Amino acid sequence: ETGVTQSPTHLIKTRGQQVTLRCSSQSGHNTVSWYQQALGQGPQFIFQYYREEENGRGNFPPRFSGLQFPNYSSELNVNALELDDSALYLCASSLGERLNTEAFFGQGTRLTVV
Amino acid sequence: AQSVTQPDIHITVSEGASLELRCNYSYGATPYLFWYVQSPGQGLQLLLKYFSGDTLVQGIKGFEAEFKRSQSSFNLRKPSVHWSDAAEYFCAVGDRGGTGGFKTIFGAGTRLFVKA
Repeated sequence: ETGVTQSPTHLIKTRGQQVTLRCSSQSGHNTVSWYQQALGQGPQFIFQYYREEENGRGNFPPRFSGLQFPNYSSELNVNALELDDSALYLCASSLGERLNTEAFFGQGTRLTVV
Repeated sequence: AQSVTQPDIHITVSEGASLELRCNYSYGATPYLFWYVQSPGQGLQLLLKYFSGDTLVQGIKGFEAEFKRSQSSFNLRKPSVHWSDAAEYFCAVGDRGGTGGFKTIFGAGTRLFVKA
């Protein structure tokens, strides 16, 4: 077990709604990254937060937004949900934002948009 | 653009047989390379990583990988597969994008099936 916890584990939303996913990073870790993993695909990088500021973003529209709090926990918010947003959302925490830092992943939140 | 290719969507091996999972990457500079494993419904677990130095990297659970710059490859190997190794395996490369941010680029994964 990595110490990275995500909530909720499963979620069903209706198209057009908004959703907030949460991640508690491993103790001492100041960096959180979010990934979207569609069924049968590898994870796709959404964005990374380092010391409460966005530190990089993948090819996702602005309706995907995030926050990192002083205790380094994080939220992923998705507005105007679309059917294609159905996926497993993974959070990973690490100490520092350098490439040679190991990231520890949570179990993910399975989001289904109907 | 940086990318990772895993040519095999799925592989089936017999328990006790050797395993090699292929990974090719496209990256302009010295790559930071990773292999992760994902069991059904679970998050990702890091098996091993390569940053520099010895091109043969040892990981957890008896896995190893070899970095070959000339072939842009980072193949994962295990000499004797156990039934508990059945899972999805992802190769990944670390990338520092133009904004200075950091991200990991994953391949599409290889599903490993182990038969008795």
